[in-house]
Amino acid sequence: GAVVSQHPSRVICKSGTSVKIECRSLDFQATTMFWYRQFPKQSLMLMATSNEGSKATYEQGVEKDKFLINHASLTLSTLTVTSAHPEDSSFYICSARTGGLEEQYFGPGTRLTVT
Amino acid sequence: GQNIDQPTEMTATEGAIVQINCTYQTSGFNGLFWYQQHAGEAPTFLSYNVLDGLEEKGRFSSFLSRSKGYSYLLLKELQMKDSASYLCAVMDSNYQLIWGAGTKLIIKP
Repeated sequence: GAVVSQHPSRVICKSGTSVKIECRSLDFQATTMFWYRQFPKQSLMLMATSNEGSKATYEQGVEKDKFLINHASLTLSTLTVTSAHPEDSSFYICSARTGGLEEQYFGPGTRLTVT
Repeated sequence: GQNIDQPTEMTATEGAIVQINCTYQTSGFNGLFWYQQHAGEAPTFLSYNVLDGLEEKGRFSSFLSRSKGYSYLLLKELQMKDSASYLCAVMDSNYQLIWGAGTKLIIKP
């Protein structure tokens, strides 16, 4: 149980375009979903926390107008990288949690390359 | 501020035992997690400690001392597939996970 999927797994896009990444909890309802970014050889960096039906809470330094997060249902959250630039190239990972003290279940990640 | 410290890199021999330490200072404590992350993949859950003591799960064990702000992950009978990064994370009073930078474990034959 507790499977989280992400789509796409890899995406290459041109500078200036937008990319949408989907995160789904397949066999449980996720009250909270998290979006992380990880650069090579670095640890996870939390970008934002989203609760179903409410606006996402962004971490300091993360531009909310650039990284649009929508958590429309208890099983789906999306991250849209708008006007992507090469420096946005990274490994984006989502995770989901059912309650306050539960572990986070991670999706497989999306590798974004902006050319 | 909130801080999680763990060694950057460790090397061990196949078949041996290795202990990865983690110390933390956080605003509140609602448990400590250990995750394993292979290169290019997402983290996978290993263990959760919220009470003091040792939790054993097969070849992996995790220890917690809340008074010392200290935890360790113990890996026994090391296998080559255990080469990965091991991430320590503490859940603070707001139920947010505070992540360590990870320990890269290199297993040599």
